Amino acid sequence: AQSVTQLGSHVSVSEGALVLLRCNYSSSVPPYLFWYVQYPNQGLQLLLKYTSAATLVKGINGFEAEFKKSETSFHLTKPSAHMSDAAEYFCAVGSSSGNTPLVFGKGTRLSVIA
Amino acid sequence: DAMVIQNPRYQVTQFGKPVTLSCSQTLNHNVMYWYQQKSSQAPKLLFHYYDKDFNNEADTPDNFQSRRPNTSFCFLDIRSPGLGDAAMYLCATSREGTANTEAFFGQGTRLTVV
Repeated sequence: AQSVTQLGSHVSVSEGALVLLRCNYSSSVPPYLFWYVQYPNQGLQLLLKYTSAATLVKGINGFEAEFKKSETSFHLTKPSAHMSDAAEYFCAVGSSSGNTPLVFGKGTRLSVIA
Repeated sequence: DAMVIQNPRYQVTQFGKPVTLSCSQTLNHNVMYWYQQKSSQAPKLLFHYYDKDFNNEADTPDNFQSRRPNTSFCFLDIRSPGLGDAAMYLCATSREGTANTEAFFGQGTRLTVV
């Protein structure tokens, strides 16, 4: 079975500061990993995904994530937070074998303080 | 242009009164998903269709049913809504069911049960 753990249900940063949202995964097969963002009363939007190519993945809105197999991690970062980044962020894991839907983490709510 | 469209965005229903939520897609994707998301929680997969093949999650209550009359449309039927069924319901699609393909989400329908 696959799972993801997002450390910290709520992260607060100042505008212009580094954003770091943590995600650790568990998978018995090589995983596919995703970060999604959800703004209030909206659906989920894909930020970026790792599918066994480059370990450093760049996404939209200046976000990037690095796949570290030794640490079973896929943390999301952005060098400088904007007010518009305030949202809920979900890490998700999928299997590289078989047709299995994504498994989502519990989410991390990012607040950006002016 | 919206590619996964959910109607209505907000739905109020009475306790025990059947309600149907709808989802349509313009992407011609094979797979359609229904997720339930309660406040401050991760999306929880209820079921998904791969073409016409229906896949129900083991812990999805019998109160929840789904129909997919054609590629473009998928419906979520709640036969007798309870107060605990109040949530955001998210529809998503993907081209294939393999986990390396991106899931596209609709904006969701927020269901209130009174």
